[in-house]
Amino acid sequence: AQTVTQSQPEMSVQEAETVTLSCTYDTSESDYYLFWYKQPPSRQMILVIRQEAYKQQNATENRFSVNFQKAAKSFSLKISDSQLGDAAMYFCAYRDGGSNYKLTFGKGTLLTVNP
Amino acid sequence: DTEVTQTPKHLVMGMTNKKSLKCEQHMGHRAMYWYKQKAKKPPELMFVYSYEKLSINESVPSRFSPECPNSSLLNLHLHALQPEDSALYLCASSQDMVTSGEDTQYFGPGTRLTVL
Repeated sequence: AQTVTQSQPEMSVQEAETVTLSCTYDTSESDYYLFWYKQPPSRQMILVIRQEAYKQQNATENRFSVNFQKAAKSFSLKISDSQLGDAAMYFCAYRDGGSNYKLTFGKGTLLTVNP
Repeated sequence: DTEVTQTPKHLVMGMTNKKSLKCEQHMGHRAMYWYKQKAKKPPELMFVYSYEKLSINESVPSRFSPECPNSSLLNLHLHALQPEDSALYLCASSQDMVTSGEDTQYFGPGTRLTVL
């Protein structure tokens, strides 16, 4: 079974600084997708970024970028120029390419942004 | 527009009550999901509907009864719940669950349920 590990239960960053959240996963599949979701205290789970395993290029969405290391099964999220609104629980998630419904989530990293 | 809406935002119910949670999406998605989320934990999948038919039931107790009246609506009927069922209930939708590819689940804001 696939597993997703987020080894940092909590992280903090100063406003305007950069922070990296770690995620590792275990799978025997070659076709899969990886996601970072953000869940602020207001509760709504929002997609931050998505990476397809077959793409070597790291995904980027504005201030959010990933470092996807397929051989190492690592998928870290970098947040640049951190803003107060980035404070949230961040979940890393995995999905097999052949299965559209089963998202395997990590336990989450709670990010605090200090002014 | 990637909006999934859920009502109510909060619900308090007794163990003998019957209540329903509602989810709606207008993205033309054909797969809809119910998740249960405890505080500071990841969501746990409960049910998946594909093309208005129940496709996946992750061994959820029968006191939770899902319903998909049409392709845009998803309900979760609650009856005889226990205090341990108190949680955030999230609805999500995606293009469908049959075709592999760059499909993504989009989540609603959730209903905070408290069972007394």
